[in-house]
Amino acid sequence: EVQLVQSGAEVRKPGESLTISCKASGYKFTNYWISWVRQMPGKGLEWMGKIDPTDSDTKYSPSFQGHITISIDNSITTAYLQWGSLKASDTAIYYCARHNTNFDSWGQGTLVTVSS
Amino acid sequence: DIQVTQSPSSLSASVGDRVTITCRASQSVSDYLNWYRQKPGEAPKLLIYAASKLQIGVPSRFSGSASGTDFALTISSLHPEDFATYYCQQTYTTPFTFGQGTKLNI
Repeated sequence: EVQLVQSGAEVRKPGESLTISCKASGYKFTNYWISWVRQMPGKGLEWMGKIDPTDSDTKYSPSFQGHITISIDNSITTAYLQWGSLKASDTAIYYCARHNTNFDSWGQGTLVTVSS
Repeated sequence: DIQVTQSPSSLSASVGDRVTITCRASQSVSDYLNWYRQKPGEAPKLLIYAASKLQIGVPSRFSGSASGTDFALTISSLHPEDFATYYCQQTYTTPFTFGQGTKLNI
């Protein structure tokens, strides 16, 4: 069974750093890209960026470029989403998803709350 | 960036109704257009991929169609679990973009 299991909810202050994770299982990890998707409270889905597990090549949405880093550890089939300096506007649910041309399996989501 | 305009933003219907949601891409995306359903508190779920292909395990009441840069998701007979929010998405080129969403209300 394909599974993407994300790390738990986080609460941080503005300016703090954070890394959340997405552990994949049940398929050959290098056969699919991993993307991260943001959903702000009560809003729609926004694609943030993707990573190719075969070579760690990344592509970011211009809306998020420079503010986030996506990385991967093939040895433990886990992808990461990292912020160096959080803002209050980063408060959202973050989903990881595996894909080729469609996002056929999603993680359960990680709620990130940024508040002073 | 390719814009994907989804309509309507909300829709009221009843169990058993037939409904159609549409998306228009700002330029050609070939058939790289997917549809997802998101129930409250859950992750999105893939329904239709490549504009008209039914994802494994998805009921046949869901169907997708395409005409140029116009795409449609049709639910032939609404079930109670279909009252949710629906999104289209283009994966033709990055940045991948989602439609604004359609909330289907009872």
